[in-house]
Amino acid sequence: AQSVTQLDSHVSVSEGTPVLLRCNYSSSYSPSLFWYVQHPNKGLQLLLKYTSAATLVKGINGFEAEFKKSETSFHLTKPSAHMSDAAEYFCVVRENTGFQKLVFGTGTRLLVSP
Amino acid sequence: GAVVSQHPSWVICKSGTSVKIECRSLDFQATTMFWYRQFPKQSLMLMATSNEGSKATYEQGVEKDKFLINHASLTLSTLTVTSAHPEDSSFYICSAGRDRGYEQYFGPGTRLTVT
Repeated sequence: AQSVTQLDSHVSVSEGTPVLLRCNYSSSYSPSLFWYVQHPNKGLQLLLKYTSAATLVKGINGFEAEFKKSETSFHLTKPSAHMSDAAEYFCVVRENTGFQKLVFGTGTRLLVSP
Repeated sequence: GAVVSQHPSWVICKSGTSVKIECRSLDFQATTMFWYRQFPKQSLMLMATSNEGSKATYEQGVEKDKFLINHASLTLSTLTVTSAHPEDSSFYICSAGRDRGYEQYFGPGTRLTVT
């Protein structure tokens, strides 16, 4: 079965400093990986996705992630945090068989201080 | 494009009553819809997968008689929580997809509070 592990439940940064949210995956097949963001009491917004094309994936709002097969990682980064980035971030792997189920990580709460 | 709506966005009901949540794909035909549940400060857990015109497939541990899912058309799926209890209070999120869910689009969620 496929799974993802988000290594940090909370990450705190200052506005203007880099953001790193860590995610490791486990998959028997070539995975499809996603990062979603969820603001309080809101639905999910897709930040970016990896589907076996370029290993460095650029997303919305300045976020990017790099797929590293040797490390089974898909870490999310942003060069400079903004106050509006404060939210919950989910790393997700998709089962590329059958009904294409999504398996969510436990989430990382990003806190941004002024 | 690819907009998914949910109705209602927030509902309060009394213990023992049933509540229905709608999930609609507004600008595309969704062959597959997924229902998730999210407890406060936790991740999303898949409850069930439904294909238009067929019975839903429930994840292990999800009571199919309690959480009734109907995917009656290519744009509408409903989740009915029957005989709701306070422990059913949660955030319910649907997603709609084409091609058995290859591309999934999420609704804004419905917060259910059972008193």
